[in-house]
Amino acid sequence: EAQVTQNPRYLITVTGKKLTVTCSQNMNHEYMSWYRQDPGLGLRQIYYSMNVEVTDKGDVPEGYKVSRKEKRNFPLILESPSPNQTSLYFCASRLAAFTHTQYFGPGTRLTVL
Amino acid sequence: GQQVMQIPQYQHVQEGEDFTTYCNSSTTLSNIQWYKQRPGGHPVFLIQLVKSGEVKKQKRLTFQFGEAKKNSSLHITATQTTDVGTYFCAGGYSTLTFGKGTMLLVSP
Repeated sequence: EAQVTQNPRYLITVTGKKLTVTCSQNMNHEYMSWYRQDPGLGLRQIYYSMNVEVTDKGDVPEGYKVSRKEKRNFPLILESPSPNQTSLYFCASRLAAFTHTQYFGPGTRLTVL
Repeated sequence: GQQVMQIPQYQHVQEGEDFTTYCNSSTTLSNIQWYKQRPGGHPVFLIQLVKSGEVKKQKRLTFQFGEAKKNSSLHITATQTTDVGTYFCAGGYSTLTFGKGTMLLVSP
């Protein structure tokens, strides 16, 4: 089944404790992206990757890192999480940046205390 | 940067009534995409429009892209309870800018 998976689905952590949210897709997509969704602010793009070893900042990259060592995986790293990073995070992928159908993962609800 | 505004924020209709959400951009859009997110779910891609003045239909859903490529609309004819959710528009390719969405509630 074609899908985007994220782990963990729920995470409660404390300020400053490094964490990684994994994202994997099985569709051989070149383009992958991370979004955060907050009430009243909608979906905002954090980082995106056009292909392996190619990443770029979205609208809200501060406090986040990403890597794209393999085509299928695009982890989101919070080196020193802060409470304002409490949010619902979505990973997404599509075949290429200029193709349209974008598939979203199920989401990761992160709480930073 | 590019801003995408969406109205209304919220609409509550009776089943069978029509519904429209509007999307306006501060700049010309290369394309517009529409997504639906059910409560507790993730966004699901509905459609992409690319051409000026383009109109596409999916059953009871009609999508339009303005002539100037700065606005778009999604119209649902005769809503059903299964239409409940938040509808988002988004513009761009590598960097995708989302509107804040319109939450649709449908009462039976």
